[in-house]
Amino acid sequence: AQKVTQAQTEISVVEKEDVTLDCVYETRDTTYYLFWYKQPPSGELVFLIRRNSFDEQNEISGRYSWNFQKSTSSFNFTITASQVVDSAVYFCALSEDTGRRALTFGSGTRLQVQP
Amino acid sequence: DVKVTQSSRYLVKRTGEKVFLECVQDMDHENMFWYRQDPGLGLRLIYFSYDVKMKEKGDIPEGYSVSREKKERFSLILESASTNQTSMYLCASSDPDRYRTNYGYTFGSGTRLTVV
Repeated sequence: AQKVTQAQTEISVVEKEDVTLDCVYETRDTTYYLFWYKQPPSGELVFLIRRNSFDEQNEISGRYSWNFQKSTSSFNFTITASQVVDSAVYFCALSEDTGRRALTFGSGTRLQVQP
Repeated sequence: DVKVTQSSRYLVKRTGEKVFLECVQDMDHENMFWYRQDPGLGLRLIYFSYDVKMKEKGDIPEGYSVSREKKERFSLILESASTNQTSMYLCASSDPDRYRTNYGYTFGSGTRLTVV
């Protein structure tokens, strides 16, 4: 069965620090999709990125970057020069290509960025 | 702008009541999902549906049922609400075609249900 682990329950940093959120996943499928979502205090889930299992290229989008490593089953998320607006709960999620096509979520990491 | 709309943002119900949570999407998606979110547990799948009148149990279906009579609407039903069903409920939809460049899951804003 698929599983996503976000071992960091809560992280607190000071503005302008870099921070990495860890995500480790388990799946038996060779084809799967990994996602990151942001949930600000307002509660809605904001899509950040999707990666399929055949694309291990790292991605950068502004201050955000993602490191996908199949060898360690990890899909880590780094925020460079964090800002107060980055304060939120971040979820990593996985969906497999076979079987049910629902997202399996990690338990989330709460990021607090202090001014 | 594509949307998943949940009928209520906040809901307070009494123990034993039958509760309906409604979700409507305007993207013509075949797949729809209900999750509940609890602190420290992330989002857990309750039920999902691949098509009209089809439903599948997720990881925590006990105490819930669902209805999908129309493609755009997916309802979550608490047959007899209990205090341990106090939670945030999130609905989502997705296109089954994973080869679309914009493949993904769209979530509603959530319904925070309190059972007293």
